[in-house]
Amino acid sequence: AQRVTQPEKLLSVFKGAPVELKCNYSYSGSPELFWYVQYSRQRLQLLLRHISRESIKGFTADLNKGETSFHLKKPFAQEEDSAMYYCALRGSGYSTLTFGKGTMLLVSP
Amino acid sequence: KAGVTQTPRYLIKTRGQQVTLSCSPISGHRSVSWYQQTPGQGLQFLFEYFSETQRNKGNFPGRFSGRQFSNSRSEMNVSTLELGDSALYLCASSLAAASSSVLTFGAGSRLTVL
Repeated sequence: AQRVTQPEKLLSVFKGAPVELKCNYSYSGSPELFWYVQYSRQRLQLLLRHISRESIKGFTADLNKGETSFHLKKPFAQEEDSAMYYCALRGSGYSTLTFGKGTMLLVSP
Repeated sequence: KAGVTQTPRYLIKTRGQQVTLSCSPISGHRSVSWYQQTPGQGLQFLFEYFSETQRNKGNFPGRFSGRQFSNSRSEMNVSTLELGDSALYLCASSLAAASSSVLTFGAGSRLTVL
């Protein structure tokens, strides 16, 4: 079975502070990991995926297979980063996308 | 390119009724997935369809069903509605039902059961 855990329901930081949204997963094979974001009154959208190894809107995430983690990081948070962030896992082959329960990020001025 | 379109956007039903939700994927996308989103449980997988075939099904009761048509449009049906079925139902499409595919989500259909 595959499982995604986001331990924090809410993360509140000040503008300019570093941000780390935690994501841990459970999967026996080689997963593909994603971060999706949902801004207020907008659709759920892909933020980044681990195989792309890219930085989107200043966010990065590194897959740590040893710790089975895929934490999302940004060195300096901006107010426009306030949103709901979901970590998601897809196993090999034709498997479903399993989401964590999400972390609400609030960035205060 | 038009995005994923879901209809209706909002609907209110009473317990015991049934509901049908529709999803039109992005042109060229052949895979459609459905998710139920609630504040307490987050996003839970319902079904995945590819080329009119159900490829995968989540852990939901048989009251939840779906189908996909030859034009890749998909519908899901919930019969004998319960209060707990109140949720945002999200549809997502992708080019193929493969682990490398990226899901593009619709705006959702918000169902309220009274």
